[in-house]
Amino acid sequence: EVQLVESGGGLVQPGGSLRLSCSASGFTFSSYAMHWVRQAPGKGLEYVSAISSNGGSTYYADSVKGRFTISRDNSKNTLYLQMSSLRAEDTAVYYCVRPKASSGWYDAFDIWGQGTMVTVSS
Amino acid sequence: QSVLTQPPSVSGAPGQRVTISCTGSSSNIGAGYDVHWYQQLPGTAPKLLIYGNSNRPSGVPDRFSGSKSGTSASLAITGLQAEDEADYYCQSYDSSLSAPWVFGGGTKLTVL
Repeated sequence: EVQLVESGGGLVQPGGSLRLSCSASGFTFSSYAMHWVRQAPGKGLEYVSAISSNGGSTYYADSVKGRFTISRDNSKNTLYLQMSSLRAEDTAVYYCVRPKASSGWYDAFDIWGQGTMVTVSS
Repeated sequence: QSVLTQPPSVSGAPGQRVTISCTGSSSNIGAGYDVHWYQQLPGTAPKLLIYGNSNRPSGVPDRFSGSKSGTSASLAITGLQAEDEADYYCQSYDSSLSAPWVFGGGTKLTVL
């Protein structure tokens, strides 16, 4: 079964740091670009970040650029999101997402993790 | 303000047909990039509903259909059922952005 399982969320103070992980199984992780999407409480989906299949290219939404770092370890089938200088507005459920096709840079996101909640509050 | 514009809410009675619009621009939908649709039931992760403008993944009922024209796309739901009550999001690619994957603001569908 194709599966993505996020972990690492929790409560953190403003200005703090947190690292999210996403463990992938059931597919050839190293063949797929991967993405992070977040959803603030009661709000819509917001795109966060992407990384190419070999980790050589990364992309960030303007709202997180310079504060978040996406990375991956293909030997461990794991995607990461290192978050620093966290703000209250970063409070959200963070989803790890896989595109439908391994070559699908423009493709739909067909596999979503269950999400991990990040709360930034003092 | 989302790059893709959706109505905040739509509603319909069981059995009726509803449509949800997704309006973009020349740098995203109008540039020829595909539009995808997601359904999010309360308390759950989004689920892919339509990909590549009009294709349904396996298991999605044919009551759901998608179309695209110019700088806009639409999701149609026929034979509305109570379990269709959910949030719906369109998504595409915008070549003008540093992180070019974009979502609409979402539409809450209420089944009356």
